[in-house]
Amino acid sequence: GESVGLHLPTLSVQEGDNSIINCAYSNSASDYFIWYKQESGKGPQFIIDIRSNMDKRQGQRVTVLLNKTVKHLSLQIAATQPGDSAVYFCAENIGNFNKFYFGSGTKLNVKP
Amino acid sequence: NAGVMQNPRHLVRRRGQEARLRCSPMKGHSHVYWYRQLPEEGLKFMVYLQKENIIDESGMPKERFSAEFPKEGPSILRIQQVVRGDSAAYFCASSPNQGAHNTEAFFGQGTRLTVV
Repeated sequence: GESVGLHLPTLSVQEGDNSIINCAYSNSASDYFIWYKQESGKGPQFIIDIRSNMDKRQGQRVTVLLNKTVKHLSLQIAATQPGDSAVYFCAENIGNFNKFYFGSGTKLNVKP
Repeated sequence: NAGVMQNPRHLVRRRGQEARLRCSPMKGHSHVYWYRQLPEEGLKFMVYLQKENIIDESGMPKERFSAEFPKEGPSILRIQQVVRGDSAAYFCASSPNQGAHNTEAFFGQGTRLTVV
């Protein structure tokens, strides 16, 4: 029979509001994390990264927070725009090469 | 500087046929990774290759799937005797040769395989 994929959790926000997307990672040994944005029909696009020796990193309109105690990562998007509508994945990496483990993703829906 | 190039973008195969997916990494990148994505799901690691070497294929099914990254030419992900469950988007990523340091991986646009 036909397989059915998991339904992604969805976050709906009003244009101009701030968005917070959360991610729980699995391995306490993970030492590098990336947030990716994936628009429909496209490949993942790098947004921001953070290493495990940091708690916070800021980019243009985006901030990533890392809480190693509870293995939690969050992505904050300031002044969310319609172009931010996409699926957002966190990815964790352990060790010496780029073998990333991806979370299941959150769909961000920005309402005009 | 072109990004990671994958072709074809869409591929339709009948059950039992072979599928060949190609990936040309970014210029100067010698590390290639293949991921599979089912609808509404995250990306699952399949295999990591450097030129002429498979470094980690722990995510690759033991049968029917193979990957290579020859000295010249693109990386190839090959699926023999495809089944409907192979229908998915297959993404390739590349990163530069920076030794043991974690670095950003750049993704291609993917190949969407449909098995009918």
